[in-house]
Amino acid sequence: DAGVIQSPRHEVTEMGQEVTLRCKPISGHDYLFWYRQTMMRGLELLIYFNNNVPIDDSGMPEDRFSAKMPNASFSTLKIQPSEPRDSAVYFCASSRTSGGSTDTQYFGPGTRLTVL
Amino acid sequence: GQNIDQPTEMTATEGAIVQINCTYQTSGFNGLFWYQQHAGEAPTFLSYNVLDGLEEKGRFSSFLSRSKGYSYLLLKELQMKDSASYLCAARGNYGQNFVFGPGTRLSVLP
Repeated sequence: DAGVIQSPRHEVTEMGQEVTLRCKPISGHDYLFWYRQTMMRGLELLIYFNNNVPIDDSGMPEDRFSAKMPNASFSTLKIQPSEPRDSAVYFCASSRTSGGSTDTQYFGPGTRLTVL
Repeated sequence: GQNIDQPTEMTATEGAIVQINCTYQTSGFNGLFWYQQHAGEAPTFLSYNVLDGLEEKGRFSSFLSRSKGYSYLLLKELQMKDSASYLCAARGNYGQNFVFGPGTRLSVLP
């Protein structure tokens, strides 16, 4: 399996621009997670989906952030308008429903976002 | 509220044993996970505990005490490649809500 795929790997944009991050989870996984990692705040859960349905978006920082999962193999995280404080590494992760350790999360390589 | 605490940095010598501690307070509890993250890379899964006791996996072991809200990751026979950040994460009772600790940056010296 190719693992979790994210694109782009790096994104540099100017304040006020729209940014769209993309994620393809591992085939057969029914949970998808979006995280943000910064030096100051560490790894934060933004939102997660189960079977393409958003379950908990309490970590989404503000209305400028939105996430969608139109099908089992694709999700997007959009920031509009972007601000310099959104600069971070954004990770997508997926997992499969089951009890025990088999429901560990597998992380994608991340998208490093820089907002100037 | 939810809170996870880990030491910020640790240093150890190649071939030695190191223990990385983690304390947590969560709304309900359904598992404690340890992840390894090398600089510039994604976190990768190391271990999982849901019951009290020790889980051993090669050079890595993880311990959990639910009554104390405490876990540790034990790394034996340290190698240079073990230099990385180690993240402790707790999952609450509700769904798949994970809370990650700030991470412990481990430096292994020759």
